[in-house]
Amino acid sequence: ETGVTQSPTHLIKTRGQQVTLRCSSQSGHNTVSWYQQALGQGPQFIFQYYREEENGRGNFPPRFSGLQFPNYSSELNVNALELDDSALYLCASSSEDRRRGNTIYFGEGSWLTVV
Amino acid sequence: RKEVEQDPGPFNVPEGATVAFNCTYSNSASQSFFWYRQDCRKEPKLLMSVYSSGNEDGRFTAQLNRASQYISLLIRDSKLSDSATYLCVVNRGTSYDKVIFGPGTSLSVIP
Repeated sequence: ETGVTQSPTHLIKTRGQQVTLRCSSQSGHNTVSWYQQALGQGPQFIFQYYREEENGRGNFPPRFSGLQFPNYSSELNVNALELDDSALYLCASSSEDRRRGNTIYFGEGSWLTVV
Repeated sequence: RKEVEQDPGPFNVPEGATVAFNCTYSNSASQSFFWYRQDCRKEPKLLMSVYSSGNEDGRFTAQLNRASQYISLLIRDSKLSDSATYLCVVNRGTSYDKVIFGPGTSLSVIP
């Protein structure tokens, strides 16, 4: 529907492991943001990538890192997983169109469970 | 204090009722405002943008009061399909900076 696709949709990892989540943004969108949404909470901003460079970061430790590729797709990497990292990870893309007021479109998310 | 706060909910209302959600934000430099809807275990989806003059989309009306740093969403003639969590969203600036989400308010419309 939104053209933003994420993979995998669900995964289970063990504490201390590393995980990579992937996102393909909507065609024409050059900005990708990642959010973490714990159960019962609103999405929390992790970081944003614009034209392959980090363009803002929320209050997350360095073990949360990311990449954006020339085709504007993106990865979120989390090292040394902790139990509290269990959440829905949302990728959102937006375009450089000020007329739209920076509307963002979400992918369906990746459900991460850390055990 | 959180940057964006919403009514804690949950709201349980009968079909046909009118329900209002409130949201306040603390950063006076905030530039744009939105309401998103999130169904259970799904991603948030844009419901409507919020403009200074207020705007309406069918049964939904959004209001913004910049002086009070307050946003509202009114749903008239509630339908069962309106059951969801409603997220208030504030964008701090015209640069592509962080978009801040409120914690959401859950609505259940009961037959």
